[in-house]
Amino acid sequence: GAVVSQHPSWVICKSGTSVKIECRSLDFQATTMFWYRQFPKQSLMLMATSNEGSKATYEQGVEKDKFLINHASLTLSTLTVTSAHPEDSSFYICSARDVSGGHNEQFFGPGTRLTVL
Amino acid sequence: GQNIDQPTEMTATEGAIVQINCTYQTSGFNGLFWYQQHAGEAPTFLSYNVLDGLEEKGRFSSFLSRSKGYSYLLLKELQMKDSASYLCAVTDSNYQLIWGAGTKLIIKP
Repeated sequence: GAVVSQHPSWVICKSGTSVKIECRSLDFQATTMFWYRQFPKQSLMLMATSNEGSKATYEQGVEKDKFLINHASLTLSTLTVTSAHPEDSSFYICSARDVSGGHNEQFFGPGTRLTVL
Repeated sequence: GQNIDQPTEMTATEGAIVQINCTYQTSGFNGLFWYQQHAGEAPTFLSYNVLDGLEEKGRFSSFLSRSKGYSYLLLKELQMKDSASYLCAVTDSNYQLIWGAGTKLIIKP
């Protein structure tokens, strides 16, 4: 199957700093990428849908000025958590949609565990 | 509203068979996915159904009935490594994935 990478795998930062997470589709072009967060023992929560070359669509309750998303190319989307606080500590997972197979399947990156001190 | 229901937790014995059910009500339907997620890891794709019937892939099978808004994931010859959460997700008319909360499967020796 298609491969999606995510970097970094984990990050620890101080409160008030910003953290950038990269999501790359390695062997396919992804016009659409998705950003999720997941708290312990809870299901995935969609934060935003990122379309290449246009503004991201944020889900209700997700602050677009806090979670900056850039999808500058067909293989790269970035999520920047600005002025991070301890409550932003979570598991952030990206996925990329591969439409070539006709399934519109989403392939997931390995996730980034963010801890804000 | 859109809703996907699946049991919160199930327990099964190593070597046995377990069926995880999923029911859905969504605005449109363009396919149903099952994903496996081990603790601390991202989900991995297991199966995709868009037509009624059974799709078999090794020890895992997935069934879909669109008229009933129902799917199940069948796991045979359970192994300890199958202990994980199993997520049911439906693609709606806008090709957005609607996620269930996941079923935590516990395998006992």
